[in-house]
Amino acid sequence: GAVVSQHPSWVICKSGTSVKIECRSLDFQATTMFWYRQFPKQSLMLMATSNEGSKATYEQGVEKDKFLINHASLTLSTLTVTSAHPEDSSFYICSASPGSEWNEQFFGPGTRLTVL
Amino acid sequence: GQNIDQPTEMTATEGAIVQINCTYQTSGFNGLFWYQQHAGEAPTFLSYNVLDGLEEKGRFSSFLSRSKGYSYLLLKELQMKDSASYLCAVWEGNTPLVFGKGTRLSVIA
Repeated sequence: GAVVSQHPSWVICKSGTSVKIECRSLDFQATTMFWYRQFPKQSLMLMATSNEGSKATYEQGVEKDKFLINHASLTLSTLTVTSAHPEDSSFYICSASPGSEWNEQFFGPGTRLTVL
Repeated sequence: GQNIDQPTEMTATEGAIVQINCTYQTSGFNGLFWYQQHAGEAPTFLSYNVLDGLEEKGRFSSFLSRSKGYSYLLLKELQMKDSASYLCAVWEGNTPLVFGKGTRLSVIA
């Protein structure tokens, strides 16, 4: 149990376009979902925390107007990278938490974004 | 503030034992996690310690000392497939996990 999927697994896009990444909890309802970004050889950096039905909480330094997060249901959160640029190329990973206990996090397989 | 330190890289021989250390300084503490992450993949859960002592799970063990702000992950009978990054993460309570920068382990023949 506790499977989290992401789609797409990888995406290549042109600079200036927008890209949407989906994160789904397949066999549980996710009260909270997290979005991370990881650059090569670096650790996971939390971008934002989203709770179903409310606005996401962004970490310092993350532009909320550039990285749009929508947690429309208890099984789906989306991250849209708007007007993507080459420096946004990274590995984006979501995780989902089934309850109020923040120590339960299940990670998705990640999405590799390359912006040309 | 939050500060989690781990060695950047380690190398060990197949069949050997390796210990990856993690020290932390956080404003709160409700548990420490170890994750394994292979290149290009998402992290996978290895262990969770909230009480002092050693937790053993097959070839992997994790130790915690809350008074010292210290943990280690012990990998026994190393295999080539254990080559990966190992992430130490602290849960402060009512906040998302705080990850260290990870330790890249290379297992050589």
